[in-house]
Amino acid sequence: AQTIHQWPVAEIKAVGSPLSLGCTIKGKSSPNLYWYWQATGGTLQQLFYSITVGQVESVVQLNLSASRPKDDQFILSTEKLLLSHSGFYLCAWSHRGGQDTQYFGPGTRLLVL
Amino acid sequence: QQQVRQSPQSLTVWEGETAILNCSYENSAFDYFPWYQQFPGEGPALLIAIRSVSDKKEDGGFTIFFNKREKNLSLHIKDSQPGDSATYFCAAASSNTDKVVFGTGTRLQVSP
Repeated sequence: AQTIHQWPVAEIKAVGSPLSLGCTIKGKSSPNLYWYWQATGGTLQQLFYSITVGQVESVVQLNLSASRPKDDQFILSTEKLLLSHSGFYLCAWSHRGGQDTQYFGPGTRLLVL
Repeated sequence: QQQVRQSPQSLTVWEGETAILNCSYENSAFDYFPWYQQFPGEGPALLIAIRSVSDKKEDGGFTIFFNKREKNLSLHIKDSQPGDSATYFCAAASSNTDKVVFGTGTRLQVSP
């Protein structure tokens, strides 16, 4: 069975500080990977997707970057946090592409002060 | 610009009633429409999905009705239970991209 793990579970960070969020998928080789951001009570905004190691496509610019250093790992980061970065960050994977079921992780809650 | 809209924003029904959640979209290229269920503090999970070649999809007590000409669809939750209380997102994707657009969401409350 496939499992998806996100870390950390929650973070409180200062404006202007760096950030790194991680996501690992076990039990599935070569998954399509996705990062989403969700404001409190809001919709899910797709940020990045990756179909293979080393390749990441940006969907929306939010002063964030993503990398896929290994087949089962997806990293979201920024060097300088903004207040608007607060929210719920969700990693997801699918077998193929956008027309396939997206399996979401438990999420990381971020508060920027 | 919100490409996928949902209504109502929130909905309260009594236990045993049918809840009807609506979704509309703008992009004619969308041809895959999944519905996701999200409980507070958790990631969403796929509930049911339909492709644009169909006008109806049923799975247990969940039914999607799809109108391609009008660019709208609805999710019917039959015999609603308090455990169905959650936020429901309609999403849309097209066959030539990995991008998925989520709707604005409907918060459903089922009262016992």
